[in-house]
Amino acid sequence: NAGVTQTPKFQVLKTGQSMTLQCAQDMNHNSMYWYRQDPGMGLRLIYYSASEGTTDKGEVPNGYNVSRLNKREFSLRLESAAPSQTSVYFCASRAGGGADTQYFGPGTRLTVL
Amino acid sequence: QKEVEQDPGPLSVPEGAIVSLNCTYSNSAFQYFMWYRQYSRKGPELLMYTYSSGNKEDGRFTAQVDKSSKYISLFIRDSQPSDSATYLCAMSASSASKIIFGSGTRLSIRP
Repeated sequence: NAGVTQTPKFQVLKTGQSMTLQCAQDMNHNSMYWYRQDPGMGLRLIYYSASEGTTDKGEVPNGYNVSRLNKREFSLRLESAAPSQTSVYFCASRAGGGADTQYFGPGTRLTVL
Repeated sequence: QKEVEQDPGPLSVPEGAIVSLNCTYSNSAFQYFMWYRQYSRKGPELLMYTYSSGNKEDGRFTAQVDKSSKYISLFIRDSQPSDSATYLCAMSASSASKIIFGSGTRLSIRP
């Protein structure tokens, strides 16, 4: 049981390049989330998917797109990376239906030069 | 004003001390309250989970929720160097709504 997995673990991009961060969970959870974590800012929600087939904006969605490919997978895409998107990105999943705990992946450290 | 406020610290205490970590919030609809622990360069892991008001104890950890004051606390007894981490409070209104995180408190336990 791997829980929540994220790839890649590290990535360096140049300004303007695009990339997709992958996330998968094997706990049959309904909801999945993408956060970014910056020093002193805590975890800020980028996008979330309450269930397969739905996605919604969070607190800081600008510059990002997401795809809930199926129940297991939720990807985050940066179409044109900017230095302000340098951060640590965490994916999380949650069962829902009264089980209100989130489980986090190990994170992706992204640097945009 | 942020929905959830948390003192960022850092907080440094000697081994064996009792640690008190706190968060305040403004949204009276919050009913689910969580504490996460995050070690350096790792993802957050759930430490305590409480529904509505009251106390919950798990080993050396006690979570308290005071909804009338919009104030939650995490107490760590007999603190150990392995407790050194960043602690994040989190809360939500329902199992279907977004979870809002505090900014985290960095804790260091001195041997």
